[in-house]
Amino acid sequence: GNSVTQMEGPVTLSEEAFLTINCTYTATGYPSLFWYVQYPGEGLQLLLKATKADDKGSNKGFEATYRKETTSFHLEKGSVQVSDSAVYFCALSDTSGGYNKLIFGAGTRLAVHP
Amino acid sequence: NAGVMQNPRHLVRRRGQEARLRCSPMKGHSHVYWYRQLPEEGLKFMVYLQKENIIDESGMPKERFSAEFPKEGPSILRIQQVVRGDSAAYFCASSPRGSGSYNEQFFGPGTRLTVL
Repeated sequence: GNSVTQMEGPVTLSEEAFLTINCTYTATGYPSLFWYVQYPGEGLQLLLKATKADDKGSNKGFEATYRKETTSFHLEKGSVQVSDSAVYFCALSDTSGGYNKLIFGAGTRLAVHP
Repeated sequence: NAGVMQNPRHLVRRRGQEARLRCSPMKGHSHVYWYRQLPEEGLKFMVYLQKENIIDESGMPKERFSAEFPKEGPSILRIQQVVRGDSAAYFCASSPRGSGSYNEQFFGPGTRLTVL
C-alpha cells in the first residue's frame, strides 16, 4: 500500500542554519505530494505541494522537489528562524479509491534556537 | 471566508461516555475527511464523507465509531462508550471536490479528546 516515511526528530538547529527534512514515499501511480506544518496547539496548514514529477513546491522560503526516480520529496530551507519551530508532516494523496485521501508521515519536530 | 470550524476544541469525557465532535467545512466544500492523531504520531485517515453519504470508512474502528454529514448542518464524528485509547486529536478537513487536480484539503484546528 501507499506510505510515507520521514526522518525522525527532533531536529534542533540554530537560527539561520540550513534545514533538510527527508521524506520518501511508496505509491502506485503518480500521487500529489505535500508538506504540512503544525504549530503548537493548532491544526495543520498546507506549506507547499507538488503535483507531478520534477515539480518544485515553494512557500515562505521552504522548498521541496518531487523526485520520481528516488521517490523523495525532501523539505529544505536555507536559513531557519525561531518562528519555524513546529512539527512538519510529509503527505501524499492516495487516489486509488477514485478520490483523494491523504497518507501522512509520522512528522518531524523542528526546534530552532536563537 | 471562514475556514474549517471544529467544536469543541477540547473535550473531556469519562470512560463509557459518548463523545460528539462537530466539523463545519469551508463554504462551498461538500467533501469532508476525518483524521485521528495519537500523541507523537502522524495523522491517520478515518473516514471520507460527501453530503449525506459515507464514501470510505476504512480507517474507522468498526465498533463504537460512526460519522455522518447530513444535508444540513455540520459533519459529526460520534464515539460511543469511550475508552482511554480514544484520547487523541481529531482533525477534520474539507475540499471542494474529492478528486481531480484541485484536491487540496483544508484542515480545521482539531478537537482534543481526553478520556479520564
